[in-house]
Amino acid sequence: AQSVTQLDSHVSVSEGTPVLLRCNYSSSYSPSLFWYVQHPNKGLQLLLKYTSAATLVKGINGFEAEFKKSETSFHLTKPSAHMSDAAEYFCVVSPALGWNTPLVFGKGTRLSVIA
Amino acid sequence: GAGVSQSPSNKVTEKGKDVELRCDPISGHTALYWYRQRLGQGLEFLIYFQGNSAPDKSGLPSDRFSAERTGESVSTLTIQRTQQEDSAVYLCASSLGAGAKNIQYFGAGTRLSVL
Repeated sequence: AQSVTQLDSHVSVSEGTPVLLRCNYSSSYSPSLFWYVQHPNKGLQLLLKYTSAATLVKGINGFEAEFKKSETSFHLTKPSAHMSDAAEYFCVVSPALGWNTPLVFGKGTRLSVIA
Repeated sequence: GAGVSQSPSNKVTEKGKDVELRCDPISGHTALYWYRQRLGQGLEFLIYFQGNSAPDKSGLPSDRFSAERTGESVSTLTIQRTQQEDSAVYLCASSLGAGAKNIQYFGAGTRLSVL
């Protein structure tokens, strides 16, 4: 069985300060991991993906995430928050590389950015 | 088209009525997924189509829910005898194929409100 746990339902940061959104996963297989972002009344947009290549993954808009197998974590970071980063962020696991499978979503972390 | 298209964007219906939600995947994408997102929650998988294979219906919450897809084109999600607990955003996603190609691209969703 696969699952993801997003450790914070809401994170609030000041503009220009670092962002850390935490995610732990559980998977019976070598997982593919993703972060998606959802802006209000918009569709989900892929931020970045890990598929067993480099453990440090760079995504769009300055975000990156590090796959740590020993900690079963895939935390999302950004050095400096921008107002436009305010959104809902979802950590997602896909059970196995090589299959078309439904994604398993975390419950989401709402990021607020304060001016 | 350029992205996954869903219609309608909003649907308000009365309890007990049937509704149909439509999804146009990205051209050439063989896989199509339906998810449900309840208020403040992550996404729940509903059903998955891959080419001409039998769909994976394991996520459908009841027999009131059904979906069809003709070939690798449009899909329709039907909810019969709607209940208030069916109120949610219904999201459709499509992907190119297996493995590293299993990057799911999402539509903006249909917001269903059952009164």
